[in-house]
Amino acid sequence: AQKITQTQPGMFVQEKEAVTLDCTYDTSDPSYGLFWYKQPSSGEMIFLIYQGSYDQQNATEGRYSLNFQKARKSANLVISASQLGDSAMYFCAMRVFGGANSKLTFGKGITLSVRP
Amino acid sequence: NAGVTQTPKFQVLKTGQSMTLQCAQDMNHEYMSWYRQDPGMGLRLIHYSVGAGITDQGEVPNGYNVSRSTTEDFPLRLLSAAPSQTSVYFCASSRMTSRYEQYFGPGTRLTVT
Repeated sequence: AQKITQTQPGMFVQEKEAVTLDCTYDTSDPSYGLFWYKQPSSGEMIFLIYQGSYDQQNATEGRYSLNFQKARKSANLVISASQLGDSAMYFCAMRVFGGANSKLTFGKGITLSVRP
Repeated sequence: NAGVTQTPKFQVLKTGQSMTLQCAQDMNHEYMSWYRQDPGMGLRLIHYSVGAGITDQGEVPNGYNVSRSTTEDFPLRLLSAAPSQTSVYFCASSRMTSRYEQYFGPGTRLTVT
């Protein structure tokens, strides 16, 4: 079974500083993808970044990067140069490859607050 | 391109009533799913579908039914609403390959009194 764990309590960061949001996962499948989503107070789910289990390099998308440590089964999101608009709930999710079992499993989320 | 649409946006039901939450996508995605979001619980999968005529249960399927008669539509039916089903419901769709992210609808906020 797939499992995503996000255990950090609410996180705070000063504007323009970097912040790391933790995510650990568990699966016995060798092929999987890891996703991060942002949910601002308006409620919509916004896709941020994807990392495949066989990708050789850590994924980056603008100010977002994913610190992927496969042996530790961790996929931490790093946000550089935080902005006030980054204040939101962040969800880590995982999906295994292929077949009818290809469902997306979410963690419980982490609340990030950016201070001016 | 409308993406994923959900109706209604808000709904109040009395205990025991039934209703259908509508979800449609215009991206020809094979995979569609329903989640509920409760405070402190993240998003939990209710039901999902990998194509027309194929559905399966997720983590919290009890009290909900789904069907997938077309690629575009994936309605969620509450058979007999209970206060425990008060939640925000999200529909999502994606291509089947796991590297493709899911596209989410705007959500339906349901209150059962």
